Amino acid sequence: GEDVEQSLFLSVREGDSSVINCTYTDSSSTYLYWYKQEPGAGLQLLTYIFSNMDMKQDQRLTVLLNKKDKHLSLRIADTQTGDSAIYFCAAARGGYQKVTFGTGTKLQVIP
Amino acid sequence: KAGVTQTPRYLIKTRGQQVTLSCSPISGHRSVSWYQQTPGQGLQFLFEYFSETQRNKGNFPGRFSGRQFSNSRSEMNVSTLELGDSALYLCASSLGGEPTDTQYFGPGTRLTVL
Repeated sequence: GEDVEQSLFLSVREGDSSVINCTYTDSSSTYLYWYKQEPGAGLQLLTYIFSNMDMKQDQRLTVLLNKKDKHLSLRIADTQTGDSAIYFCAAARGGYQKVTFGTGTKLQVIP
Repeated sequence: KAGVTQTPRYLIKTRGQQVTLSCSPISGHRSVSWYQQTPGQGLQFLFEYFSETQRNKGNFPGRFSGRQFSNSRSEMNVSTLELGDSALYLCASSLGGEPTDTQYFGPGTRLTVL
């Protein structure tokens, strides 16, 4: 089955850019998602990208997809303390119904 | 617009018991998905319901079941609880369950099995 991997931890200084990386194994994955989970809360969908796209930008967020290497990244520009959370990468062939989540990357923003 | 609500928020059960969790989606949303989140296994998809029908199921044993009512509210049931079932159970709703529909998550039900 699909495997999605992320590094566990990332620490950045406030105002810097954060880059969270993710790799997946199933080349048939057509939808790739980034979610944010704050302490005690459910998940919040941040953005998604189709497998036929290379890049998607949404305000401070930039998603880059390298389909050949099955590598996905999320760049957060001008990182703020409010961005401290766990970020999950997820890959799906048919959308939410067949989704596999990564282990999550805990982002710590140092003031 | 009210968000996704889940009840109860916390639950403590003992091994062998059964439990029912409830999820009320955002008004107008017809798709409800359930996920299990544990420190060891991470976030795993349980199943998805749309218009009272289970459309897809993850790799969980038959002890895990669910249903959806005509008002789109959904329940998840776990029978013969095991210690490993201790987890945060998240419910999410979307308009039609399409890949590009934004999925909204509830705060989760924290289940502890003793």
